Amino acid sequence: AQSVTQLDSQVPVFEEAPVELRCNYSSSVSVYLFWYVQYPNQGLQLLLKYLSGSTLVKGINGFEAEFNKSQTSFHLRKPSVHISDTAEYFCAVTRTDSWGKLQFGAGTQVVVTP
Amino acid sequence: DAGVTQSPTHLIKTRGQQVTLRCSPKSGHDTVSWYQQALGQGPQFIFQYYEEEERQRGNFPDRFSGHQFPNYSSELNVNALLLGDSALYLCASSLEGSETQYFGPGTRLLVL
Repeated sequence: AQSVTQLDSQVPVFEEAPVELRCNYSSSVSVYLFWYVQYPNQGLQLLLKYLSGSTLVKGINGFEAEFNKSQTSFHLRKPSVHISDTAEYFCAVTRTDSWGKLQFGAGTQVVVTP
Repeated sequence: DAGVTQSPTHLIKTRGQQVTLRCSPKSGHDTVSWYQQALGQGPQFIFQYYEEEERQRGNFPDRFSGHQFPNYSSELNVNALLLGDSALYLCASSLEGSETQYFGPGTRLLVL
């Protein structure tokens, strides 16, 4: 079985400041990793994914994430946030040998203030 | 190119009733997954449909059932509703052989 832990339930950040959202996972098999964003009263939008290859993954809206296999982490970063980045962010994993079931973390609420 | 669509957007039911939620996948996608997102939590996998068959199932009781039609659209049925079934129900579609799922806007169900 897999599990995902998002270490911060809420992250307050000032506009134009950097932000890092932490995600750790545990799994007995290889996994693919994802970050999704959920704006208020909306569904989930894919930000980025790690499947293989370079451990630094770039996504939409200026976000990037780094896969660290030894630390089983997949932290999300953005060097300069905007007010519009206020949202809930979810880290998720799925097995590489039978994808389909996404296992999500509990989410991190990012609140950007001027 | 239409994304994943879901209907209705909101629904209010009472305990013991039955509900049907609908999902149309992104154009070209043939696989549909359903998730339940309770307030303040991450989505939980209910089940996945491919070729009109349930392929994977999460830890949900048999009150939760589904169907996939030949045009790949899908329905989620929940019988004997409980207060705890109140949640946002998300549909996600993907292409067989692809690991990436694309989500719809969800149906918010309130059980009174």
